[in-house]
Amino acid sequence: DTAVSQTPKYLVTQMGNDKSIKCEQNLGHDTMYWYKQDSKKFLKIMFSYNNKELIINETVPNRFSPKSPDKAHLNLHINSLELGDSAVYFCASSRRDGYYEQYFGPGTRLTVT
Amino acid sequence: QKEVEQNSGPLSVPEGAIASLNCTYSDRGSQSFFWYRQYSGKSPELIMFIYSNGDKEDGRFTAQLNKASQYVSLLIRDSQPSDSATYLCAASGAGSYQLTFGKGTKLSVIP
Repeated sequence: DTAVSQTPKYLVTQMGNDKSIKCEQNLGHDTMYWYKQDSKKFLKIMFSYNNKELIINETVPNRFSPKSPDKAHLNLHINSLELGDSAVYFCASSRRDGYYEQYFGPGTRLTVT
Repeated sequence: QKEVEQNSGPLSVPEGAIASLNCTYSDRGSQSFFWYRQYSGKSPELIMFIYSNGDKEDGRFTAQLNKASQYVSLLIRDSQPSDSATYLCAASGAGSYQLTFGKGTKLSVIP
């Protein structure tokens, strides 16, 4: 009964390639997020979607493009990958009422060589 | 800029002791506060959240909030080696979806 799932779990690719990470939640939440956790373990918000609408777009290179086909899915596409994109990317989801506690997926470890 | 500050540690406590993890936040408008536990190589796992001044207890965990001092803490009673992890503090503003995370405190519970 996975609540928030991501695929793939590991992604190794070369500089310049384009890759996508997929996220799905079965919690019935309206809001989904992408976070980046760097090598120093700092967790930083990248994007947030509420019912398929972008509501948070932090300062992220426009090589990163999120897409939400429906409120249960949020994908992240990355163009022209760079070495500095190597990190763990977490998807999360929350309700849009209450206290917005967020639940995280297992993460995708991206390594750019 | 909204910031959440935590001592990076490592914080070492003997098994059975109380571990005290602290967090301060800069945005006085922050309303809800969250503690996540992250084991190495795993995703953050929500332990507790608190939104009112005072204490909130859940099993061996107690979250404490003091909005006047802009201070949040997490106490872990009867610490176990399985509690060894990085603990992340996060804050959100009023009606805001966005969480600002601290950099985490690494806790080691020594058997």
